Amino acid sequence: GAVVSQHPSRVICKSGTSVKIECRSLDFQATTMFWYRQFPKKSLMLMATSNEGSKATYEQGVEKDKFLINHASLTLSTLTVTSAHPEDSSFYICSAKRGGWAAFFGQGTRLTVV
Amino acid sequence: GESVGLHLPTLSVQEGDNSIINCAYSNSASDYFIWYKQESGKGPQFIIDIRSNMDKRQGQRVTVLLNKTVKHLSLQIAATQPGDSAVYFCAENYGGSQGNLIFGKGTKLSVKP
Repeated sequence: GAVVSQHPSRVICKSGTSVKIECRSLDFQATTMFWYRQFPKKSLMLMATSNEGSKATYEQGVEKDKFLINHASLTLSTLTVTSAHPEDSSFYICSAKRGGWAAFFGQGTRLTVV
Repeated sequence: GESVGLHLPTLSVQEGDNSIINCAYSNSASDYFIWYKQESGKGPQFIIDIRSNMDKRQGQRVTVLLNKTVKHLSLQIAATQPGDSAVYFCAENYGGSQGNLIFGKGTKLSVKP
């Protein structure tokens, strides 16, 4: 099957610091990865589409300077939450397409900003 | 706003019964649909998918039905088990294989032993 690994699974950081979340496709190459944000008991909200070797495409309302995305290789995309604030606390999830239609998800990262 | 929604936010069933989770979508150009299962604190898990040129697809204990006339999608789970308890999301894709997935609101399925 297609395995997507996300790290870390949980992170607590102080307000004003930056946090990096990694998303790796373990057994396939992913030219496109997606980053979602999910609030408690809510659905997944697409933040951005990450393409290997090019700039990410952000959804309307998502601050690109706040949420930095880097897709450096076919198996790794990173999301950096810069100058994090308590309102950035959320569950962040990445997904990757294996060259087909279905997207496979990482296990998510619970970010808490204190 | 969201183009995919769910009729029932919560569903409670008895173990062994069949479950039906419904989803309405509004984008007639969507070409692919997926059902995901999400357990608390975890990422969504792929269950089953269906292309827009099909109206039914079966997996192990699950069946997805697509009615393009009324833009309706359903997930049927046979002989529901306690391990099926989770939130279920439908997602629609438009833009081909490189398109984005847009998620519906989710239905929480609770299975009573």
